[in-house]
Amino acid sequence: AQTVTQSQPEMSVQEAETVTLSCTYDTSESDYYLFWYKQPPSRQMILVIRQEAYKQQNATENRFSVNFQKAAKSFSLKISDSQLGDAAMYFCAYRTLYSGTYKYIFGTGTRLKVLA
Amino acid sequence: NAGVTQTPKFQVLKTGQSMTLQCAQDMNHEYMSWYRQDPGMGLRLIHYSVGAGITDQGEVPNGYNVSRSTTEDFPLRLLSAAPSQTSVYFCASSPEGGSGNQPQHFGDGTRLSIL
Repeated sequence: AQTVTQSQPEMSVQEAETVTLSCTYDTSESDYYLFWYKQPPSRQMILVIRQEAYKQQNATENRFSVNFQKAAKSFSLKISDSQLGDAAMYFCAYRTLYSGTYKYIFGTGTRLKVLA
Repeated sequence: NAGVTQTPKFQVLKTGQSMTLQCAQDMNHEYMSWYRQDPGMGLRLIHYSVGAGITDQGEVPNGYNVSRSTTEDFPLRLLSAAPSQTSVYFCASSPEGGSGNQPQHFGDGTRLSIL
C-alpha cells in the first residue's frame, strides 16, 4: 500500500523569504501523480501544484516549485518570496495513474506560519 | 458555477443518532470521494465512487455507508453516530479519463460533533 509522509508538523518563514516543505512517499508503482494542496483557515482545499511521475522536469507555478526526486521518492515544495497569504496547512498527496484505482493518499500536513 | 456543495456545514448529533451528509457536484465528474480530517491525521479516505452505481471502501469505512445513484450526488450516511466520528468531513470530485492528472475539487467541509 502507498504511504505519504510529511515529517514537519510546523514550519515558519519570514515574509519575502523562501521555505521548503518536505514530503516523502512509498510506492511500488512506476507511474503516478503527486499534488500539493493548501488549506487556509477557511478550510478550503486549494490545489497548489501537481507533478506527473513520468516527467523528469520539476513543476513550477509562479512562486511555487517542486523538487521531485523519483528514485528517493521525495516531493518537496518550495515557496519563494513568501507572503502572509501563504500561511496555511499544506498537504502532500499521491494518486495512482492507473484506471480502476482512484485512491488519493494524503500526508498528515505541515502548518506554515509566515512572520511579518 | 457551484463546484462541490456540501450540506450541512455544521451538525451536532447525539450518540446513536443517524444522519446523512449531502454532497453534490455540477461538473459531471465521474470520481467522488469522502474524507475525514482529524488533527494530526491529515485526510483519510472513507469511501469513494468511480461512477454512478459503483462505490468502494477507503481507509476508514467502518460506521459509514454510501451510495451513488446519480453522477451528481454522493451522500455519506452515519448509521449510528459515535463520539469517535467527531471530525470535519470533506467531499471531493474529479474527472477521470484522459491524462488523469486532474486534481480533486473539494467542498467546504462539514464540521460534525457527536456528543
